[in-house]
Amino acid sequence: SAVISQKPSRDICQRGTSLTIQCQVDSQVTMMFWYRQQPGQSLTLIATANQGSEATYESGFVIDKFPISRPNLTFSTLTVSNMSPEDSSIYLCSAPGQGITDTQYFGPGTRLTVL
Amino acid sequence: GENVEQHPSTLSVQEGDSAVIKCTYSDSASNYFPWYKQELGKRPQLIIDIRSNVGEKKDQRIAVTLNKTAKHFSLHITETQPEDSAVYFCAAIYGQNFVFGPGTRLSVLP
Repeated sequence: SAVISQKPSRDICQRGTSLTIQCQVDSQVTMMFWYRQQPGQSLTLIATANQGSEATYESGFVIDKFPISRPNLTFSTLTVSNMSPEDSSIYLCSAPGQGITDTQYFGPGTRLTVL
Repeated sequence: GENVEQHPSTLSVQEGDSAVIKCTYSDSASNYFPWYKQELGKRPQLIIDIRSNVGEKKDQRIAVTLNKTAKHFSLHITETQPEDSAVYFCAAIYGQNFVFGPGTRLSVLP
């Protein structure tokens, strides 16, 4: 498996501001993933963060709104920019287990509330 | 596009009974199917998975079956316990990405 940590665990932000979420994995992984989980809903992939290249965004998500960094093989950040109340959600990162390419393990999530 | 359907959306069973959750997927190229359990306020936890080269996998009270021809797979929980109460998500892998089903809220009544 993989041990994944995120911070902050939760935050309350004002409309129009930005929040950067950090994700740390205990082993080196090629790909990391960012998901959004709205209240009572399933997980929706925002983007795949590849080390050394631009992130790959899913339909409906754009880099200007959700810029991603991947400075090394164990760390990634997701920024939620120019926030509105509709961005209130749980944001989770995930990564494969060490030596495994398809199984994904999740971080504890960041609960974001935008006022 | 890729799609994963999941049924039922809610399921209530008596403690000790069995629970079955079914998922269907759209892309015949998918070859990996995990199941996650998410308790309230916690992260999704991988509980079992199956790859397309087998038809069934079991781990204690939990089993998963896969029918590649029909493109569906199912989670079976036997001898349910109150701590099995959670939301369960199935997923199918498309390329390197997961597509998740909408989830099933399982309630095990004591």
